[in-house]
Amino acid sequence: DAGVIQSPRHEVTEMGQEVTLRCKPISGHNSLFWYRQTMMRGLELLIYFNNNVPIDDSGMPEDRFSAKMPNASFSTLKIQPSEPRDSAVYFCASSLGHNSPLHFGNGTRLTVT
Amino acid sequence: KQEVTQIPAALSVPEGENLVLNCSFTDSAIYNLQWFRQDPGKGLTSLLLIQSSQREQTSGRLNASLDKSSGRSTLYIAASQPGDSATYLCAASLWEYGNKLVFGAGTILRVKS
Repeated sequence: DAGVIQSPRHEVTEMGQEVTLRCKPISGHNSLFWYRQTMMRGLELLIYFNNNVPIDDSGMPEDRFSAKMPNASFSTLKIQPSEPRDSAVYFCASSLGHNSPLHFGNGTRLTVT
Repeated sequence: KQEVTQIPAALSVPEGENLVLNCSFTDSAIYNLQWFRQDPGKGLTSLLLIQSSQREQTSGRLNASLDKSSGRSTLYIAASQPGDSATYLCAASLWEYGNKLVFGAGTILRVKS
């Protein structure tokens, strides 16, 4: 089992540019989550998919953020336009149903200058 | 709104000591309580999941307990080792969204050899 795979591992971009983060969940998992981690705010849930359908996007900070899950094996988180305050580590996680542990990827460290 | 608090924020102990990490949550209507470990620059690794109907779970030297009525969980680590050094996070799963987790800020553990 390869685990949850995220790409890229690091992303450095200038303010105003579009950023796309990618995630491949564990095969067979039906729930996918995007989290953001910062020193100030800790881990925050951005959006939650169940069976490829967005269930709760109340954590998405602004309209600049969008997420898609076109199929069970791929999801993207897009920020357009990016701002310095978006700098954080973005994690993708997946799980098999409601009462199963979450499995996290190694994250994408985003720096917006 | 569910809030999760972890005490202490940091802990330093000599190798071999038994230790307890504390987690409290404000809304007792949880689906499960999960404990994770995070190593620097890495994603989170699931340690234990306690369902709302359970009182405790054990894995090796780790034991986690859950008291829903008081809104508390503890993670007990027996015979600590330097390899246990990491940040430990607890997360409460909100009832209506199953595996939607609210995370605490974590306890940074250092085990000295």
